[in-house]
Amino acid sequence: KAGVTQTPRYLIKTRGQQVTLSCSPISGHRSVSWYQQTPGQGLQFLFEYFSETQRNKGNFPGRFSGRQFSNSRSEMNVSTLELGDSALYLCASSTGTAGETQYFGPGTRLLVL
Amino acid sequence: GENVEQHPSTLSVQEGDSAVIKCTYSDSASNYFPWYKQELGKRPQLIIDIRSNVGEKKDQRIAVTLNKTAKHFSLHITETQPEDSAVYFCAARGNTGNQFYFGTGTSLTVIP
Repeated sequence: KAGVTQTPRYLIKTRGQQVTLSCSPISGHRSVSWYQQTPGQGLQFLFEYFSETQRNKGNFPGRFSGRQFSNSRSEMNVSTLELGDSALYLCASSTGTAGETQYFGPGTRLLVL
Repeated sequence: GENVEQHPSTLSVQEGDSAVIKCTYSDSASNYFPWYKQELGKRPQLIIDIRSNVGEKKDQRIAVTLNKTAKHFSLHITETQPEDSAVYFCAARGNTGNQFYFGTGTSLTVIP
């Protein structure tokens, strides 16, 4: 099976702009989670989508939003970008059932200038 | 919500020695604990996992132990090799949905 893919791999934006990141899960996986990774902060959970519904949400401001489509592909949007949003954004897919692990995509590296 | 703490943040060992990384969690309902290895510039990769009904699991040079009473779990790497150098993350799956809580990572350096 093909692994988790993310596009684009790199992005440079300026403050105030918005950005949309995309994640295609492993075939058959219905759960997609998004994480923000910054040096020293580890992986911070943003939200999880399962069957087109947001099932869990982390402690991020409302500028961070997401959605999931019927084919399980997911998008994450960040509006009004701030310098502190510069990070590696990882998505991870799983079947969504208890005890099943997540498999990560390669990430999108976002730089906000 | 769940809180996962990971120690140490950095670890250097001589090639051939063992390395141990420890994590604690706060939510007794957490039931699944994976460990990920992330090499520089790459995605986190699952290396081993353990479920709450098991106390120990081994896979060649890697083992994980879980103490549910004390709410801590550990990663053990024996006979370390330079290619084991990476950042290792522990995680705990919460009791709602599919939310995983990650530790802050341990940067392991294996000195040849």
